[in-house]
Amino acid sequence: RKEVEQDPGPFNVPEGATVAFNCTYSNSASQSFFWYRQDCRKEPKLLMSVYSSGNEDGRFTAQLNRASQYISLLIRDSKLSDSATYLCVVGAAGNMLTFGGGTRLMVKP
Amino acid sequence: EPEVTQTPSHQVTQMGQEVILRCVPISNHLYFYWYRQILGQKVEFLVSFYNNEISEKSEIFDDQFSVERPDGSNFTLKIRSTKLEDSAMYFCASMTGGDGNTIYFGEGSWLTVV
Repeated sequence: RKEVEQDPGPFNVPEGATVAFNCTYSNSASQSFFWYRQDCRKEPKLLMSVYSSGNEDGRFTAQLNRASQYISLLIRDSKLSDSATYLCVVGAAGNMLTFGGGTRLMVKP
Repeated sequence: EPEVTQTPSHQVTQMGQEVILRCVPISNHLYFYWYRQILGQKVEFLVSFYNNEISEKSEIFDDQFSVERPDGSNFTLKIRSTKLEDSAMYFCASMTGGDGNTIYFGEGSWLTVV
């Protein structure tokens, strides 16, 4: 079983749509959770940390379900500039991050 | 905004040659990392470095690889006797530590082994 698993997509959505990504992780001792965004051939950039209580940053909402070992990201009112690969990232002791394979999003006009 | 800087941005090397990838982490950060991403694949952890020594390393980080912090600012990844399968984007990253657990990535060094 993959340590961090994501649907690779691509998700093709029109501008203005709402899209949701899911991620599952296998290590129950994981301590920190993030969504990173990666543009083609660029470095991963932190989009948001994910907390058990859920958190929102503008059009982006992230949620964590520790019991199910499940993380989600919701993007509302999609923009063309949201087109990228979204990486689910899980941190364990020692601050070592484990990356999912990413979900590719393409927002079309 | 402070950033992690990496050099070179792109290097082409012949199989069997040694390569050194350089990184300048963010100045007040204490934890340093190298990750790699083979084209079309996921980002993979190589090694973490804290207090002048390796704190964690993956199975990928074998005897072919080494890291060093030769002075107060640079953090290097050395790959000895490169193989074709070492071709990848290598990302350096750093983190403050303590209560701050956000890891910031450099723009990457694209290594092509021919």
